Amino acid sequence: QVQLVQSGAEMKKPGASVKVSCTASGYTFTSYGISWVRQAPGQGLEWMGWFNPSNENTNYAQKFQGRVTMTTDTSTSTAYMELRSLRSDDTAVYYCARATGAGDYWGQGTLVTVSS
Amino acid sequence: DIQMTQSPSSLSASVGDRVTITCQASQDISNYLNWYQQKPGKAPKLLIYDASNLETGVPSRFSGSGSGTDFTFTITSLQPEDIATYYCQQYDHVPMLYTFGQGTKLEIK
Repeated sequence: QVQLVQSGAEMKKPGASVKVSCTASGYTFTSYGISWVRQAPGQGLEWMGWFNPSNENTNYAQKFQGRVTMTTDTSTSTAYMELRSLRSDDTAVYYCARATGAGDYWGQGTLVTVSS
Repeated sequence: DIQMTQSPSSLSASVGDRVTITCQASQDISNYLNWYQQKPGKAPKLLIYDASNLETGVPSRFSGSGSGTDFTFTITSLQPEDIATYYCQQYDHVPMLYTFGQGTKLEIK
């Protein structure tokens, strides 16, 4: 069965970076893109970017350009999302999703808390 | 950038009611529109893809319609387990870009 398992919760100070991982299983990793979506406490879903593991093509939401990097390690079927220069308003649950078109399978979410 | 306007932002309905949520795109997006359900503390769940296609395993009381700029999501007979927040999401193929609607919080009356 398809599964996306994300890394555990992180607590970071303002200005730091965070790298969240998403390990896929149950399907051919390079056959689907990976989207990253975040949700601040009590807020809606916000799309951050999309990565194609087969050709490393990446598209980021304009809001995160220059501050986010998405990568994958195809040998371990793992996707990574690194967000730099963290601010308090980056506190959110970060999700990965298998997505070429619709996001049909999602990770469980990773809470990133940014606080001094 | 394409903007998605979802309405209403919240909705209260009774068990058995027909519930409708709309999503309007700022420009023609063909049928590149998905609908998700999210329950508190859980990841979103895909219900409808490409405007009107029911995801495998999703009950048939859920449906979607529309194309171009105007889309509708319908629950034909509301069940207690349908209490959740619902989101529309549009996507572009080239490049692959996504935008979510603001969400509709559905409550039982």
